[in-house]
Amino acid sequence: DGGITQSPKYLFRKEGQNVTLSCEQNLNHDAMYWYRQDPGQGLRLIYYSQIVNDFQKGDIAEGYSVSREKKESFPLTVTSAQKNPTAFYLCASSIISTANEKLFFGSGTQLSVL
Amino acid sequence: DQQVKQNSPSLSVQEGRISILNCDYTNSMFDYFLWYKKYPAEGPTFLISISSIKDKNEDGRFTVFLNKSAKHLSLHIVPSQPGDSAVYFCAASDLAGNNRKLIWGLGTSLAVNP
Repeated sequence: DGGITQSPKYLFRKEGQNVTLSCEQNLNHDAMYWYRQDPGQGLRLIYYSQIVNDFQKGDIAEGYSVSREKKESFPLTVTSAQKNPTAFYLCASSIISTANEKLFFGSGTQLSVL
Repeated sequence: DQQVKQNSPSLSVQEGRISILNCDYTNSMFDYFLWYKKYPAEGPTFLISISSIKDKNEDGRFTVFLNKSAKHLSLHIVPSQPGDSAVYFCAASDLAGNNRKLIWGLGTSLAVNP
């Protein structure tokens, strides 16, 4: 089955610790995205990538880093510089098309601070 | 400034009746609109989309209406079912301007009562 896999489902971070959230897709999509959702809020874009070895900052990139070494993988690192990391993190992918911008989402990772 | 607004945080309807979820936008350059459905602790799933060249798109029980002059779109669910209870997000993008970033509303929580 094609889809997007995020792991882990739940993650806990200690003060001063960096943690990495995994996102893998086998949909052969060129573009991948990381969003953050806080309770009662919409989705806020952290980073996105339209091609391997290239990525762009979204609206709230501070305190986060990404890499795109393979088309299938787009891991997100939440660094110690992110002072309020507790949130639900969503990874998504899409084809690059001028006709639509339909995103396919993973099931999310809930990050909490210990 | 919120470019995509879902002014009703919540909506409650009876099973079998029509659910109408509303979305307003401020950017006249938006030319593509999507609705997503999200259950708690899961990623959003795509429901239906509409291009600005249309004023209506229908898919089974779901119909999206677009009023460009009013910068307003709505999602109609007929008949509503208890399984439709979820948070619904409206999103918009400017595909013609090659701005691939989706702008999201804050969501409307729909409860369909048996």
